[in-house]
Amino acid sequence: SAVISQKPSRDICQRGTSLTIQCQVDSQVTMMFWYRQQPGQSLTLIATANQGSEATYESGFVIDKFPISRPNLTFSTLTVSNMSPEDSSIYLCSVALAGGITDTQYFGPGTRLTVL
Amino acid sequence: GEDVEQSLFLSVREGDSSVINCTYTDSSSTYLYWYKQEPGAGLQLLTYIFSNMDMKQDQRLTVLLNKKDKHLSLRIADTQTGDSAIYFCAENLSGGYNKLIFGAGTRLAVHP
Repeated sequence: SAVISQKPSRDICQRGTSLTIQCQVDSQVTMMFWYRQQPGQSLTLIATANQGSEATYESGFVIDKFPISRPNLTFSTLTVSNMSPEDSSIYLCSVALAGGITDTQYFGPGTRLTVL
Repeated sequence: GEDVEQSLFLSVREGDSSVINCTYTDSSSTYLYWYKQEPGAGLQLLTYIFSNMDMKQDQRLTVLLNKKDKHLSLRIADTQTGDSAIYFCAENLSGGYNKLIFGAGTRLAVHP
């Protein structure tokens, strides 16, 4: 497995502002993912963070709202832009490990975001 | 379309066995997973099963897979209060793309 950390662990933000969430892995990974978990809901994939190229977004998510960076094989950021209360969720990053069972994803602890 | 369904709530007595059920739609899924989420925490990978297996056992956990019915179950033997959490079933979509589709999660409550 991998050790995955996220910063911040939680935040309370005002509407109209932006928040950047960081995800750090203790080993090099080929694939990193960002998920959203709305209150009481399951996880929904936002995008796949590709190293060296633009992220691949799922239907319903756009780069202007959720810009993603992936500068190297151990780090990624997700920005939630121009926030509204509907963006209040837990945001989780996950990684798929290379060389092992590559389909298996391991998750970070999540960032709990509240937008007022 | 892609869909994973789970019952939303299960209550068991401490020491009994818990069985959490899941149905999925993508018959080409290569792996199926069970994740555990404790209150205020991220997701912890509990176990997984490869699609060519019928059963996998790991200590107190037993995973059963019925590919014909697209049914997956997680049995927890000797359920403890520390097992109280939300359990998510997830399937990995076919096509070489590591996209996981999650169920809504089953909240397991363990009472004395």
